[in-house]
Amino acid sequence: ILNVEQSPQSLHVQEGDSTNFTCSFPSSNFYALHWYRWETAKSPEALFVMTLNGDEKKKGRISATLNTKEGYSYLYIKGSQPEDSATYLCASYTSGTYKYIFGTGTRLKVLA
Amino acid sequence: NAGVTQTPKFQVLKTGQSMTLQCAQDMNHEYMSWYRQDPGMGLRLIHYSVGAGITDQGEVPNGYNVSRSTTEDFPLRLLSAAPSQTSVYFCASSKGLAGELEQFFGPGTRLTVL
Repeated sequence: ILNVEQSPQSLHVQEGDSTNFTCSFPSSNFYALHWYRWETAKSPEALFVMTLNGDEKKKGRISATLNTKEGYSYLYIKGSQPEDSATYLCASYTSGTYKYIFGTGTRLKVLA
Repeated sequence: NAGVTQTPKFQVLKTGQSMTLQCAQDMNHEYMSWYRQDPGMGLRLIHYSVGAGITDQGEVPNGYNVSRSTTEDFPLRLLSAAPSQTSVYFCASSKGLAGELEQFFGPGTRLTVL
């Protein structure tokens, strides 16, 4: 089993602050990296799917970058809002396995 | 589209009982999967399927069986429930088979085994 690690485990920021999280994954046989947003009492919802080294995706105030050679991805939130409070999960998909390996998530709390 | 649906939402079992968690999707997705979510462990893959009639094991398959007789349905069976199977179970589906497309998750089933 390949490990996917996320840091930090939890984070408290003030409204308006910008923040970022890290997802580390094994770079060998890498195919795709997924980011999901998971609100309490709901189901995970996809933010981004990234496959190319150097790829950068953006959705509103949230963006993500990908480095497949060194095995990491960053998720950035600009001007955090209380509604951004959630757990952010990343998952690595390795070529030929049909399996997603999830990290344990970063729990974000944005204080008003 | 209803998306991914799961039933029941909550279930309490006694040790040794068996039951089936239901999962269905109406998006004609080929890939379906079952995860369990435990505190501090993240989502762990139990079983997955890449199409009707094709299933395989994930990280934590022991104590669970699956089948995929149709594209839409992917039930998860607990053969003889144990307290260690107390967890929240999520079903997910994806159009893609190569990880290139997002997974859609169901609302989850919270299972307690006494």
